[in-house]
Amino acid sequence: EAQVTQNPRYLITVTGKKLTVTCSQNMNHEYMSWYRQDPGLGLRQIYYSMNVEVTDKGDVPEGYKVSRKEKRNFPLILESPSPNQTSLYFCASSSSLSGQNIQYFGAGTRLSVL
Amino acid sequence: GQSLEQPSEVTAVEGAIVQINCTYQTSGFYGLSWYQQHDGGAPTFLSYNALDGLEETGRFSSFLSRSDSYGYLLLQELQMKDSASYFCADNTNAGKSTFGDGTTLTVKP
Repeated sequence: EAQVTQNPRYLITVTGKKLTVTCSQNMNHEYMSWYRQDPGLGLRQIYYSMNVEVTDKGDVPEGYKVSRKEKRNFPLILESPSPNQTSLYFCASSSSLSGQNIQYFGAGTRLSVL
Repeated sequence: GQSLEQPSEVTAVEGAIVQINCTYQTSGFYGLSWYQQHDGGAPTFLSYNALDGLEETGRFSSFLSRSDSYGYLLLQELQMKDSASYFCADNTNAGKSTFGDGTTLTVKP
């Protein structure tokens, strides 16, 4: 089954404690992205990657890091989480054939930073 | 920067037709996509337009006018399960993607 898998689904942590949210896709997609979604707002792109070792900043990259060492994986790293990073996070992937026009999303990670 | 405007809320009755508009301002525009999101769930792809005109996918259709920087999503034969949030998103072929703030559709019996 084609899917994007994020882990963990829920996470409560404290300010300053480094964490990683993993994302993996099994569709051999070139494009991958991370988004955050806050109440009443749309998805805001944090980082995106067009292929292995190619990443770029989205609209809200501050406080986040990513890496793309393998095509299927695109982890999101919060080196020193702060309460304003409490949010719902989604990973997405898409094929280069469609550009970013058709994105497949993971189930989401609900993060609370205390 | 890139921005998309869509209405915050729309209400309609079962069996009706509803149109959700989206206007955008973007550089390097590549296409306009539409996604559905139920409460707390993952967004799911509905439709996209790379060229002007109407794309039909079952009960859902999407329209794009590049000259007007405008598109819409048309939902026909509304069902209760269509109650959800709907997002338009503009895309570039360089990987950048910007979403609107979403339209909450409430379908009433």
